[in-house]
Amino acid sequence: EVRLVQSGAEVRKPGESLKISCETSGFRFTTHWIAWVRQMPGKGLEWMGIFYPGDSGATYNPSFQGQVSISADKSNDIAYLHWGTLRASDTAMYYCARQRHGSSDFDYWGQGTLVTVSS
Amino acid sequence: QSALTQPASVSASPGQSITISCTGTSSDVGTYNLVSWYQHLPGKAPKLIIYEDNKRPSGVSTRFSGSKSGNTASLTISGLQPEDEADYYCCSYASSATYVFGTGSKVTVL
Repeated sequence: EVRLVQSGAEVRKPGESLKISCETSGFRFTTHWIAWVRQMPGKGLEWMGIFYPGDSGATYNPSFQGQVSISADKSNDIAYLHWGTLRASDTAMYYCARQRHGSSDFDYWGQGTLVTVSS
Repeated sequence: QSALTQPASVSASPGQSITISCTGTSSDVGTYNLVSWYQHLPGKAPKLIIYEDNKRPSGVSTRFSGSKSGNTASLTISGLQPEDEADYYCCSYASSATYVFGTGSKVTVL
């Protein structure tokens, strides 16, 4: 069974760093792209970027380039989304999603991680 | 990279059909046969319901169908049911391993 299980809700202050995780199982991690998607409160889904564990390649939405970084631990089949400096505007729900092999859509999703950034 | 344009809300009575449009550009929707649609219920993870413009994943109701003409993709829900009440998002490949989501449409079953 394919599963993407995300880490729990986080509360941080502006300026702090944060790394959230997406632990995967049930499929070959190194042959699927993993994407991260943001949903700000009351807003729609936004594609942030995508990572290929097979070669550690990543592509980012220009709106998020330089603001976050995506990485993975291939030994444990975990994808990460990392902020070096959080802002209040980073408050949102974040989802990881698996890209279906050989296609360009996202067939399995994590349950979401709520990140709250507040002083 | 601008979001694809969807109507903010669509409503209809049970049993009726609705169509949600998703308008992009010749750089995304119009170039690639790679539009997907997601159903998003509150507090749940989004669910893939259409991929590659008009294909349905296994297990998705046949009441959901997708189509595309030029730069506009469409999702049709036939025989609307109360459990279809949700937010719906389109998503298109946009070259160089990038993607763009639609603005989202809230479907209300009257």
